[in-house]
Amino acid sequence: AQSVTQLGSHVSVSEGALVLLRCNYSSSVPPYLFWYVQYPNQGLQLLLKYTSAATLVKGINGFEAEFKKSETSFHLTKPSAHMSDAAEYFCAVSEIISNFGNEKLTFGTGTRLTIIP
Amino acid sequence: GAVVSQHPSWVICKSGTSVKIECRSLDFQATTMFWYRQFPKQSLMLMATSNEGSKATYEQGVEKDKFLINHASLTLSTLTVTSAHPEDSSFYICSAKYPRGLYGYTFGSGTRLTVV
Repeated sequence: AQSVTQLGSHVSVSEGALVLLRCNYSSSVPPYLFWYVQYPNQGLQLLLKYTSAATLVKGINGFEAEFKKSETSFHLTKPSAHMSDAAEYFCAVSEIISNFGNEKLTFGTGTRLTIIP
Repeated sequence: GAVVSQHPSWVICKSGTSVKIECRSLDFQATTMFWYRQFPKQSLMLMATSNEGSKATYEQGVEKDKFLINHASLTLSTLTVTSAHPEDSSFYICSAKYPRGLYGYTFGSGTRLTVV
């Protein structure tokens, strides 16, 4: 089974500073990888996804992530943090779970991002 | 596009009663939907996968008789928490696979269930 590890359950950065949220995956096959953001008492919103095209993926709200196969990483970055970026961020990997092509998402444990004014 | 609407957004019920949560795909047909449970400050745990017209596939440790999932149409999946108890209190989120041509998943806004 595939797994996702998010280093750092809490990350704090100053407004305007670089945001770096770490995600490492384990997979025996080329994975599909996702970053989602969750605001309190809301569902998940897709930030970006990697589906074996370009390794540098640009998403919404100025976020981007780079797929590095050699490091099995898919870290999320944003050059300049904004107060509205404060939220919970989840990295996820898509996994095929049957011969019929059924699949499911496996989530990391999440990283809470706090922005310091 | 690819919007999933989940209702209700929050519900309070008494112990022993049943609660139904609906998940609708508004602008696409969702052949596969997923139900997750999220405890406070924790990640999402997949409860079950439902395919339209067939029985749901439950994850290990999830009681299928307690968490009834029905996916009777291509736009609607429901999760019924039967004989709810306080330990069932949680945040439940549904998700659907994107339509053909895209790859990924879209999520509902979640339902906060409180059992008193």
